Amino acid sequence: GQQVMQIPQYQHVQEGEDFTTYCNSSTTLSNIQWYKQRPGGHPVFLIQLVKSGEVKKQKRLTFQFGEAKKNSSLHITATQTTDVGTYFCAGGWRGNYGQNFVFGPGTRLSVLP
Amino acid sequence: DARVTQTPRDKVTEMGQEVTMRCQPILGHNTVFWYRQTMMQGLELLAYFRNRAPLDDSGMPKDRFSAEMPDATLATLKIQPSEPRDSAVYFCASGMTEGTSFNEQFFGPGTRLTVL
Repeated sequence: GQQVMQIPQYQHVQEGEDFTTYCNSSTTLSNIQWYKQRPGGHPVFLIQLVKSGEVKKQKRLTFQFGEAKKNSSLHITATQTTDVGTYFCAGGWRGNYGQNFVFGPGTRLSVLP
Repeated sequence: DARVTQTPRDKVTEMGQEVTMRCQPILGHNTVFWYRQTMMQGLELLAYFRNRAPLDDSGMPKDRFSAEMPDATLATLKIQPSEPRDSAVYFCASGMTEGTSFNEQFFGPGTRLTVL
């Protein structure tokens, strides 16, 4: 079945360092969404990418969708302690009843002050 | 500020008991999702409804789990009988879907289920 992988599984950074997480799909996606989940919290939507090669920015966060629409990345510049949490990508593709999607396993980010 | 609500927030029960979790989606959203999150399996999609009709429940163990939407303001997930391996956080999410496109999903706070 459809799989979405994320690397790394864990990342520890010093505050101020950059961070990148990568999302890879076994097949071509129609779109990809990114979510952030704080410890003890629930996933919160960050962004959706739809177009091949798309790049979107939200303050210190940069999201990219690959040209082949099989991979995506999230880059955080100059991490802060508020960036702590698990970052999930969710890959979507067209199925029989509409769109199907699957969440990646997530990348857990720790930021040391 | 519209949000998804879930009850109960925490549930501890004994193996074999019936568990019912409830979700109130954001008013106006046409799609409701149920997820289960564990350390081992991550975030798994159990089922989702569009306009109250079940569209996909392939992620749900059919023998003991059932999901329904009695009306547009209430979605339920029932486990009968519950087993220790069902211990997890169950999230409900709602959103708008049009045709084959999904928009962002708004997650509820989750129900933490512990089956002893």
